[in-house]
Amino acid sequence: AQSVTQLGSHVSVSEGALVLLRCNYSSSVPPYLFWYVQYPNQGLQLLLKYTTGATLVKGINGFEAEFKKSETSFHLTKPSAHMSDAAEYFCAVRLYYGQNFVFGPGTRLSVLP
Amino acid sequence: DGGITQSPKYLFRKEGQNVTLSCEQNLNHDAMYWYRQDPGQGLRLIYYSQIVNDFQKGDIAEGYSVSREKKESFPLTVTSAQKNPTAFYLCASMRLEGSGQPQHFGDGTRLSIL
Repeated sequence: AQSVTQLGSHVSVSEGALVLLRCNYSSSVPPYLFWYVQYPNQGLQLLLKYTTGATLVKGINGFEAEFKKSETSFHLTKPSAHMSDAAEYFCAVRLYYGQNFVFGPGTRLSVLP
Repeated sequence: DGGITQSPKYLFRKEGQNVTLSCEQNLNHDAMYWYRQDPGQGLRLIYYSQIVNDFQKGDIAEGYSVSREKKESFPLTVTSAQKNPTAFYLCASMRLEGSGQPQHFGDGTRLSIL
């Protein structure tokens, strides 16, 4: 069965520091990959997605992610953290058309002043 | 603006009571989904529907029921058989045409037991 791993349930960074949130998936076939952000008591908002083509994907709010097939990874990065980035981040995969999404357990990002 | 509306935002259930959570979308999406979110457990799929008058069980359907009488609406009923209903419930929808379509989410309903 498809699974998604997010290393670190809680990550803390200082304001202005690099943000790196890790996501690995288990599949021999490259899936469709997504990152979502969730602020407290709100729904999930799409940050970015990878379907085909360029492996470095840019999203909203200065985030980007790189698909690495050899490492089955899709890590999310942002060069400089802002206080407003504090939220929960979810990685999700969809293997093929018609399959349901599989979500990772989430990583809570804290940004320290 | 198009989007997904969930109501109410907060809901309280008495023991033995059924409660219904509303989800309406005006995005003209074919598929709709209900997820349950518990702290530290991510999202778990309850039910989903890809077409009107048809729906499928997800991973944790026991104690829940749904209907899909209209394309825009996918209400979720939490029955008295669900012994631990306290959670944050999220509704999502998605276009089925085209590859790599994302799911779009509502703002959720927080259900608590009185």
